[in-house]
Amino acid sequence: GEDVEQSLFLSVREGDSSVINCTYTDSSSTYLYWYKQEPGAGLQLLTYIFSNMDMKQDQRLTVLLNKKDKHLSLRIADTQTGDSAIYFCAEGGSGGYNKLIFGAGTRLAVHP
Amino acid sequence: NAGVMQNPRHLVRRRGQEARLRCSPMKGHSHVYWYRQLPEEGLKFMVYLQKENIIDESGMPKERFSAEFPKEGPSILRIQQVVRGDSAAYFCASSLSGTGLTDTQYFGPGTRLTVL
Repeated sequence: GEDVEQSLFLSVREGDSSVINCTYTDSSSTYLYWYKQEPGAGLQLLTYIFSNMDMKQDQRLTVLLNKKDKHLSLRIADTQTGDSAIYFCAEGGSGGYNKLIFGAGTRLAVHP
Repeated sequence: NAGVMQNPRHLVRRRGQEARLRCSPMKGHSHVYWYRQLPEEGLKFMVYLQKENIIDESGMPKERFSAEFPKEGPSILRIQQVVRGDSAAYFCASSLSGTGLTDTQYFGPGTRLTVL
């Protein structure tokens, strides 16, 4: 069945890079997404990548996709305290429409 | 340009009562998705609707839960005879279309349901 897995927790020092990893199972997924959730809030779309791409860069964010291994990563450069949040990986687009399958989320803690 | 709106933001119900959750999609969006987030978990798909049609309700519990998206007005997720296990955050997302890049989903702030 469809499944998305993420490590649950990541702690980094302010100014360092953060790398959040995700694995998925559905090879027919068209898009892969990263969402950010701050405490008590909804999900904010950070970035997405088409399944036929290897990499996408958007300011401080870099997404890498290894389709062979079904592995997705999100790198945040120069991590700031405002980046502290839960980051969700999601796959979608299989089955003809975009039902999203989410991972459990990675809680990023940024400390001085 | 208002985003996806959900109300109420917080809802408290006693066991056996009904809960009605509302979602107004972004302007111009005619596709709505509902997800449920249990504490410390990711979001789980519940139902996908277009105006006046339920396209996929494979994630909805078979009993007590229903959803609609009428021609006019918000989408409604209705939970009858709530139980403590229904306590969760319910998120609505909308998209411009159901496929392609324009199906990127934008999420509302969620409704946090607490069942006493």
